[in-house]
Amino acid sequence: NAGVMQNPRHLVRRRGQEARLRCSPMKGHSHVYWYRQLPEEGLKFMVYLQKENIIDESGMPKERFSAEFPKEGPSILRIQQVVRGDSAAYFCASSHGVSYNEQFFGPGTRLTVL
Amino acid sequence: DQQVKQNSPSLSVQEGRISILNCDYTNSMFDYFLWYKKYPAEGPTFLISISSIKDKNEDGRFTVFLNKSAKHLSLHIVPSQPGDSAVYFCAASTGANSKLTFGKGITLSVRP
Repeated sequence: NAGVMQNPRHLVRRRGQEARLRCSPMKGHSHVYWYRQLPEEGLKFMVYLQKENIIDESGMPKERFSAEFPKEGPSILRIQQVVRGDSAAYFCASSHGVSYNEQFFGPGTRLTVL
Repeated sequence: DQQVKQNSPSLSVQEGRISILNCDYTNSMFDYFLWYKKYPAEGPTFLISISSIKDKNEDGRFTVFLNKSAKHLSLHIVPSQPGDSAVYFCAASTGANSKLTFGKGITLSVRP
């Protein structure tokens, strides 16, 4: 399966712990986007990255959240000192970055903060 | 401020009939629109898209119509099948390789 991979699928953390979410884009895709979906809501954009660069982080909370997409390996969304309000489904999408193109989504990571 | 609005939270149609899902937007800078389908506990699956230079795009049973003057688009599914039962999200973007702005989604139920 050459689709977008995300792991873990489910993550449980206690308040104050760190959460690390991983995303491997589709083969040939160099653009990665992270979105968050709260219950009963649509997906909200968080951050857009290309290899080793953050292109748009306008949707990312200023504190506790960070993202990277290193030259080698998956993209990582890191949430430090998690709070209950961080509980959500986090989706990663990728695209090949040529003109207008569709973003293809992974299965998501469901984060639960106890 | 909700820039992409799907005002009907749910829609129920009979198998074989047409499903029409509506979406409105407020940002006139949006120039590319997409529809995604989502099953519970899965990621959104891309269905169909349309550029603002077009007013219609068709792919099999799915057709998207865009009315730029009304800032409105719709997704038509003909004929509807029980497997189409899912949440459908409308999304929009400005320019190439930019973030998607999503509506809240509409739950479609296709009755056998």
